[in-house]
Amino acid sequence: AQKVTQAQTEISVVEKEDVTLDCVYETRDTTYYLFWYKQPPSGELVFLIRRNSFDEQNEISGRYSWNFQKSTSSFNFTITASQVVDSAVYFCARGGGSQGNLIFGKGTKLSVKP
Amino acid sequence: DAGVTQSPTHLIKTRGQQVTLRCSPKSGHDTVSWYQQALGQGPQFIFQYYEEEERQRGNFPDRFSGHQFPNYSSELNVNALLLGDSALYLCASSLGFGGSFEKLFFGSGTQLSVL
Repeated sequence: AQKVTQAQTEISVVEKEDVTLDCVYETRDTTYYLFWYKQPPSGELVFLIRRNSFDEQNEISGRYSWNFQKSTSSFNFTITASQVVDSAVYFCARGGGSQGNLIFGKGTKLSVKP
Repeated sequence: DAGVTQSPTHLIKTRGQQVTLRCSPKSGHDTVSWYQQALGQGPQFIFQYYEEEERQRGNFPDRFSGHQFPNYSSELNVNALLLGDSALYLCASSLGFGGSFEKLFFGSGTQLSVL
């Protein structure tokens, strides 16, 4: 199976610290898509970013930034100056190839303490 | 513009019973996918419906079945419930089958508890 691995199960930081969430994926496809979702306690998956395999340009959006490296099959996510409201479970996911579905990692629970 | 809506939000059933979960896709979307999220795990793909047909299926037994209606809404049915079916069931909608996953939206889910 083409897995998505989030090695960090839980991370705890103090407010205003920077935090990076790691994601490593497996794929045999040349065209694929990578995602980050945030899941607060309410349960809804909130879309954060989608990247296609041909776009390795890293992006910064406010306090969020993403580092996509095809050479290492990694798609890491960084929150700068974390806030308590960032506390949630974050999922990395991969889609594409012949499959119309997303494959999710097991998630990283981020706790930001005041 | 309403997003993806799922009903009910919570459900309690006993082993052996049958359950039906419902999903209305975001306006303009015609493809519905269902995912199961067990506690502490990432969502796992159950199946996807497009043009009222099941187009793809994940590794789930035949106890899990679905339907898509002409208005694109969808139902997920689970027969002979097991304790292990307790999970959050998420519906996602998108436009078109396969493709680039652009504009893929998830609902808030139905929390199913099997006692």
